Amino acid sequence: QQPVQSPQAVILREGEDAVINCSSSKALYSVHWYRQKHGEAPVFLMILLKGGEQKGHEKISASFNEKKQQSSLYLTASQLSYSGTYFCGTEPGGSYIPTFGRGTSLIVHP
Amino acid sequence: EPEVTQTPSHQVTQMGQEVILRCVPISNHLYFYWYRQILGQKVEFLVSFYNNEISEKSEIFDDQFSVERPDGSNFTLKIRSTKLEDSAMYFCASRVQGTGELFFGEGSRLTVL
Repeated sequence: QQPVQSPQAVILREGEDAVINCSSSKALYSVHWYRQKHGEAPVFLMILLKGGEQKGHEKISASFNEKKQQSSLYLTASQLSYSGTYFCGTEPGGSYIPTFGRGTSLIVHP
Repeated sequence: EPEVTQTPSHQVTQMGQEVILRCVPISNHLYFYWYRQILGQKVEFLVSFYNNEISEKSEIFDDQFSVERPDGSNFTLKIRSTKLEDSAMYFCASRVQGTGELFFGEGSRLTVL
C-alpha cells in the first residue's frame, strides 16, 4: 500500500522553508526520500531506518517517527535547485520493496 | 561513479507489438527492480529480482510482462503485446542489498500508438 504524501504542491521563494510529510498505514522498517527533476530519474536524498532518527544533507533533513509511521522532509532556506518532485518511498518490515507516494511538487521562485 | 544504464531512452511502438527494454545494473548490486511512471503520476513498482529469480511482483505485472537476465549481468523487461496504457517511463533500479539506497537508471520512455 502506497504512502500518503502532503502537501501535493508547494510554491516558495528562494530562502523560504518547506516541510513535506509522508505517512503509512503499515509498520515501517525504512523510509527513503528522492527528488526527481522533470524528465529525469529519481535521485536519492536520504534513507531513515530507526524511529525518531533525523538525518541531514546540507540544508535538507528528515525525521522518521517509527511509532506513528510518519516521516517529514525539511528543506531550509530553499534554493532554485530544490525545485522538483519529492517522493517518499516506504518499506514495511519484512519487505524489500520500496513503495512510493504520489509525490510533492516543489517550485522555488527567485 | 557507477551507474545504472538503460536502453533505449525512447521507443515508439504500435499497439500489439512486443517491446524489450534493457538495463545494465551496477555490477556488485544484488537486488534489482523495475518501476514505471505514467506521465505526471507516481512511481509504481512492477517487479523485483533477486538471486536470479523474481522475488516479488505487483498486480500490474501480469502475463504480458516478463523479466529475464539473459547473460548474468543485463536485465530485460519484455512487454509481449503492448497496450495504449503501457505508455510510460520505465525505470530500472538496483541496490547492493535488500535495504538501502536505490540507484535508478535514466529510464526508457515507451510510447504506444
